[in-house]
Amino acid sequence: DAGVTQSPTHLIKTRGQQVTLRCSPISGHKSVSWYQQVLGQGPQFIFQYYEKEERGRGNFPDRFSARQFPNYSSELNVNALLLGDSALYLCASSLEDRGLYEQYFGPGTRLTVT
Amino acid sequence: AQSVTQLGSHVSVSEGALVLLRCNYSSSVPPYLFWYVQYPNQGLQLLLKYTSAATLVKGINGFEAEFKKSETSFHLTKPSAHMSDAAEYFCAVSEGTALIFGKGTTLSVSS
Repeated sequence: DAGVTQSPTHLIKTRGQQVTLRCSPISGHKSVSWYQQVLGQGPQFIFQYYEKEERGRGNFPDRFSARQFPNYSSELNVNALLLGDSALYLCASSLEDRGLYEQYFGPGTRLTVT
Repeated sequence: AQSVTQLGSHVSVSEGALVLLRCNYSSSVPPYLFWYVQYPNQGLQLLLKYTSAATLVKGINGFEAEFKKSETSFHLTKPSAHMSDAAEYFCAVSEGTALIFGKGTTLSVSS
């Protein structure tokens, strides 16, 4: 079975631009979460979606938004990009939205903001 | 809010030596705990998880971790390190719908 897939792999944007990152979960998984990993740090939780509804939000500004589609894939949007948004953005899927279910991570999208 | 502390940002061992990566958590309720490994330029791979069943949890690649409530610890061990174990290791605790990660420990293995 295919794992979590993310696109694009790499992305270079300029300050002030907007970016959309995409994620396809493992087949049968209904929950998708997004994390930001700055170089040298652990991943930080941004959003979780389950059955197309937002179930959790981390401490990120309103410039960050996301949605989940009927096929459970998801998009993360970041507006008005800042240099500090440069990071590896990880998507994770799980069967359900409860904490005991392990999250499976995709390879990530490396975003560079110049 | 829950948190995770990983003691030692960098651990170096020789091939064949014991690997011990330390993780302490703070949680007001029985936690769900996880260890993940990240190889360069890749996503995170789950090594093992604790969900209040057996306190000694066995994972993939010969790793195991022991949940000690009295010490609020969930240290990761492997009896004999292999060169392929060199990577970044993250301990995480589940808080609601989110995973809260530690800052990670880089494991280096020398021959």
